[in-house]
Amino acid sequence: KNQVEQSPQSLIILEGKNCTLQCNYTVSPFSNLRWYKQDTGRGPVSLTIMTFSENTKSNGRYTATLDADTKQSSLHITASQLSDSASYICVVSDRGSTLGRLYFGRGTQLTVWP
Amino acid sequence: EADIYQTPRYLVIGTGKKITLECSQTMGHDKMYWYQQDPGMELHLIHYSYGVNSTEKGDLSSESTVSRIRTEHFPLTLESARPSHTSQYLCASSETDRDGNTIYFGEGSWLTVV
Repeated sequence: KNQVEQSPQSLIILEGKNCTLQCNYTVSPFSNLRWYKQDTGRGPVSLTIMTFSENTKSNGRYTATLDADTKQSSLHITASQLSDSASYICVVSDRGSTLGRLYFGRGTQLTVWP
Repeated sequence: EADIYQTPRYLVIGTGKKITLECSQTMGHDKMYWYQQDPGMELHLIHYSYGVNSTEKGDLSSESTVSRIRTEHFPLTLESARPSHTSQYLCASSETDRDGNTIYFGEGSWLTVV
């Protein structure tokens, strides 16, 4: 069964600290993996997209890694800011259909305290 | 910045009413999607479209219907709303052909049926 599991479910850190969010997936055949940031009451916003051949991608203070062999990804946030408080969603796409079906994790709810 | 817009953002209606959630994008994308998301849960695909006059049901069964008469417009309609339809509805769009295209989300429509 194709699944995307994220951990931790929620995380509280102090402003300025770093943190790492995890994503494990069983989606096959794998096409790509995306990380999205979703502020409360808003739509998700894309942070990174990685295909099979990519093992790291950065977007400012966000760095995503991908290990396609172990089917794991992580999102590292450096020098966190209050505005980083949001849900971070891991999304994996398969190659099994024309649509490129998307499998969503439930997200990690990050809270940054001053 | 994504050019995809949803209206209304928030709506409270009575049981049995007919409602239409509007979604428009100005990026010329062929693919459009509707997702349903309950608080703290993952997104579920309820409808998608490859282009004008193309509509398909998604993974999650939904009593809603959609239409795609123009490329930029993908409205979702509930003929008779029920309390079980209370949820957040997210519209999204992407380019068609290339693998790993960014999917852009609207801000969401929060529907409450009383």
